[in-house]
Amino acid sequence: DVKVTQSSRYLVKRTGEKVFLECVQDMDHENMFWYRQDPGLGLRLIYFSYDVKMKEKGDIPEGYSVSREKKERFSLILESTSTNQTSMYLCASSLWQNGEKLFFGSGTQLSVL
Amino acid sequence: DQQVKQNSPSLSVQEGRISILNCDYTNSMFDYFLWYKKYPAEGPTFLISISSIKDKNEDGRFTVFLNKSAKHLSLHIVPSQPGDSAVYFCAATHTNAGKSTFGDGTTLTVKP
Repeated sequence: DVKVTQSSRYLVKRTGEKVFLECVQDMDHENMFWYRQDPGLGLRLIYFSYDVKMKEKGDIPEGYSVSREKKERFSLILESTSTNQTSMYLCASSLWQNGEKLFFGSGTQLSVL
Repeated sequence: DQQVKQNSPSLSVQEGRISILNCDYTNSMFDYFLWYKKYPAEGPTFLISISSIKDKNEDGRFTVFLNKSAKHLSLHIVPSQPGDSAVYFCAATHTNAGKSTFGDGTTLTVKP
C-alpha cells in the first residue's frame, strides 16, 4: 500500500527555534511537495521537488527552505520559527505525470509559541 | 489572485440526499481537475478527477461535472452518507505545471 510518512504528528516550538520536518515516501515517486493548511486558506504550496537535489518555490516559500538528498526523502526546514508559522504541514508525493494525483502524509501540526 | 475558489465554506445535507460541492477557476490553462477528501487529523486523500477533454466522470456515488466555458466544476455525492462528512478540496493543474492549485475547501456535514 502507498505510504507517505511524516516524522512528527505534533510539534511545539518557541519563536526563533530551528525546525526540521521530515517526509519519506515508499512509492518511488519523482515529485514531492510541502503544503501548509490553515483554516479558511486551503492548502498552500510552500516548495516542491521533481528530482533529487532539485527544488522549486511554491506560492509561499518565504521563511522556509527544503532539502532533497534522496529520492524518497523531502525535508522542510524552518530556520527561525515565528508565530505565523503555526500551521498544519502536509507532505505529498506523485508520479511524474501531468495531473497525477497526490498522496499525502498525515500531517504535522506545528505550534510556535 | 486566487485561481481556484470554493465559495461555500460549509454545506449540510440529510443522509440519503444529494450533496453538491462547487468549484470555480480562473486560469484557462488548467486542464486537469481533482477532488480530495480530508478527515480531521489526517492528510487529504484523492477522491475523483476529470480531464478537460471530458465533461463528466463517475465513480460509484461520486460524479464530477466540468463546464469549461463557465470555468466551473462540481462534485455530486449520491446518496450522501454520514461517513462522507469531511472537508472537500478542489484542485487544478495544467500540462507541465508539475503542481496543483487548491481551493479553500468546503466542510460537508451529512446528518443521519
